[in-house]
Amino acid sequence: GENVEQHPSTLSVQEGDSAVIKCTYSDSASNYFPWYKQELGKRPQLIIDIRSNVGEKKDQRIAVTLNKTAKHFSLHITETQPEDSAVYFCAASLNTGNQFYFGTGTSLTVIP
Amino acid sequence: SAVISQKPSRDICQRGTSLTIQCQVDSQVTMMFWYRQQPGQSLTLIATANQGSEATYESGFVIDKFPISRPNLTFSTLTVSNMSPEDSSIYLCSVERRGELGTDTQYFGPGTRLTVL
Repeated sequence: GENVEQHPSTLSVQEGDSAVIKCTYSDSASNYFPWYKQELGKRPQLIIDIRSNVGEKKDQRIAVTLNKTAKHFSLHITETQPEDSAVYFCAASLNTGNQFYFGTGTSLTVIP
Repeated sequence: SAVISQKPSRDICQRGTSLTIQCQVDSQVTMMFWYRQQPGQSLTLIATANQGSEATYESGFVIDKFPISRPNLTFSTLTVSNMSPEDSSIYLCSVERRGELGTDTQYFGPGTRLTVL
């Protein structure tokens, strides 16, 4: 089955700096890659996603890039703010109706 | 996005007892998923529940321990049977829906925080 690895496990940045979280996946058949943000005590919330026919997707301060050949994808957050502090999970899947294989999570702290 | 509710939101249970968790969605969905999130860990799929058929369990999870019901297209239950402290986790249901980003994806319920003493 699919194996998703996520790095780093913890990340601290100064407010206003950028944060990058990287994930690799093992199954070349995976073609859907969502990113979830989970604040303490709350449910995971989808923040951005990308499909394998797209190399990059951006939504305001958040962007995701995908390298299908290398089987890795990354989350980029620019101009970080304290409210960006949370645990971020990447996932890979065959499609949205199949099992999501989650990475191990990255705890992001934005220091004011 | 889907409105997904879970009951109970949290519970503290004694070893050896069972707890049934309910997941309710505001509209009909084909597939519902049950995940477990152990403290400080990632999300692991327990099983996929389709209405009208037996749930499909992932490796490491069995029906006797985690029986699932899916009586209709808006509701599912997960039972954690014969609980031990190792079952202390957050249990989340999710459904595939079209959401705010205009894409079909999985949306999560608020979770049930289970503590087994």
